Amino acid sequence: AQKITQTQPGMFVQEKEAVTLDCTYDTSDQSYGLFWYKQPSSGEMIFLIYQGSYDEQNATEGRYSLNFQKARKSANLVISASQLGDSAMYFCAMREVSGSARQLTFGSGTQLTVLP
Amino acid sequence: DGGITQSPKYLFRKEGQNVTLSCEQNLNHDAMYWYRQDPGQGLRLIYYSQIVNDFQKGDIAEGYSVSREKKESFPLTVTSAQKNPTAFYLCASSIVDRSNQPQHFGDGTRLSIL
Repeated sequence: AQKITQTQPGMFVQEKEAVTLDCTYDTSDQSYGLFWYKQPSSGEMIFLIYQGSYDEQNATEGRYSLNFQKARKSANLVISASQLGDSAMYFCAMREVSGSARQLTFGSGTQLTVLP
Repeated sequence: DGGITQSPKYLFRKEGQNVTLSCEQNLNHDAMYWYRQDPGQGLRLIYYSQIVNDFQKGDIAEGYSVSREKKESFPLTVTSAQKNPTAFYLCASSIVDRSNQPQHFGDGTRLSIL
């Protein structure tokens, strides 16, 4: 079973509007971390936001916020006031603590296009 | 500025040839990682290292080798045993190998077969 599922291969949003990118995850661990990364067409991976499994409040970083619903195992990224420069691929990733699973497990990504 | 430097940006490999991708970081991070990304897909872990002279296989280590002789450097060799090496390779590092630390990435190397 996939550990990270991003069900939206592509999304469009009008400039200045908000957009939500979906991410669901699967783990039996109680302690884990959830990350969102942005990958522009140039290829580099840019860290956006982090949410710990024990964090009671949703994480926020500027225009990015993470809608964390632990019972539903979802960690959706919300981008407010979209800008043209937000057009990129967005990846959700999880890091588990238990066992030897120390790597980031990535979803397949969502390609976001911001329309002028 | 601190960061992760990958070189070269583009690399071409002939059949039967080994090639080495460079990854250097000046962030004083303990942990380093190599990922492979195929078109339209997420990243898959090849190898990772938590300390100098120690490294572990990731999910797709076959056909690859690494070394970690210095904290700053984690080169990846794509051997001739890797039959489908064409991909985008990303190197990353993090402060310590803990769940709450983000990994910081280099700009990547695109490897193609000649």
